[in-house]
Amino acid sequence: GAGVSQSPSNKVTEKGKDVELRCDPISGHTALYWYRQSLGQGLEFLIYFQGNSAPDKSGLPSDRFSAERTGGSVSTLTIQRTQQEDSAVYLCASSPSEGADTQYFGPGTRLTVL
Amino acid sequence: LAKTTQPISMDSYEGQEVNITCSHNNIATNDYITWYQQFPSQGPRFIIQGYKTKVTNEVASLFIPADRKSSTLSLPRVSLSDTAVYYCLVGDGYALNFGKGTSLLVTP
Repeated sequence: GAGVSQSPSNKVTEKGKDVELRCDPISGHTALYWYRQSLGQGLEFLIYFQGNSAPDKSGLPSDRFSAERTGGSVSTLTIQRTQQEDSAVYLCASSPSEGADTQYFGPGTRLTVL
Repeated sequence: LAKTTQPISMDSYEGQEVNITCSHNNIATNDYITWYQQFPSQGPRFIIQGYKTKVTNEVASLFIPADRKSSTLSLPRVSLSDTAVYYCLVGDGYALNFGKGTSLLVTP
């Protein structure tokens, strides 16, 4: 079956612009997660969705970051007024439910802010 | 979230067995131990998960001592394609704490 897909695979933007990153989870997975991976670093948890609601937004680094999920499926991560420190790979994962379930990751979106 | 400590890097030759040990002294009763593998330009991929004793699947084995304060991922007869970063995670929830992982380099 199809895995988690993300688009675009690469995004180059200018400082101050807004960007939207998309995640299509595995069909039927109720839980969806966003992570950020900076160069040479581990993954940093950003936000978690259970269905369409986000019970945990604690990892979002600033109010310039927001995310939504519609129809219990596709999720969009939006970064407003991008800064150079936002440059990273943004990874999305999904799992059948929350908790210790295996998370299935997409290939990521590489964001470069010039 | 329990903190984990694992070696930054390891080298191995093809065909050898590789053991990567992870320390997690503050593991909680409800925590599971999970290992992920990440290749360059890809998202992490689940390898194995365990709670105690030994778990084995078609890819690896996971050894967990009785006190659960450490765990060892064992990769039998590694190949060049096993060159990747391996992450040890401890927790019972969704916010996976990946850390920097162990970068394994397999050479001929």
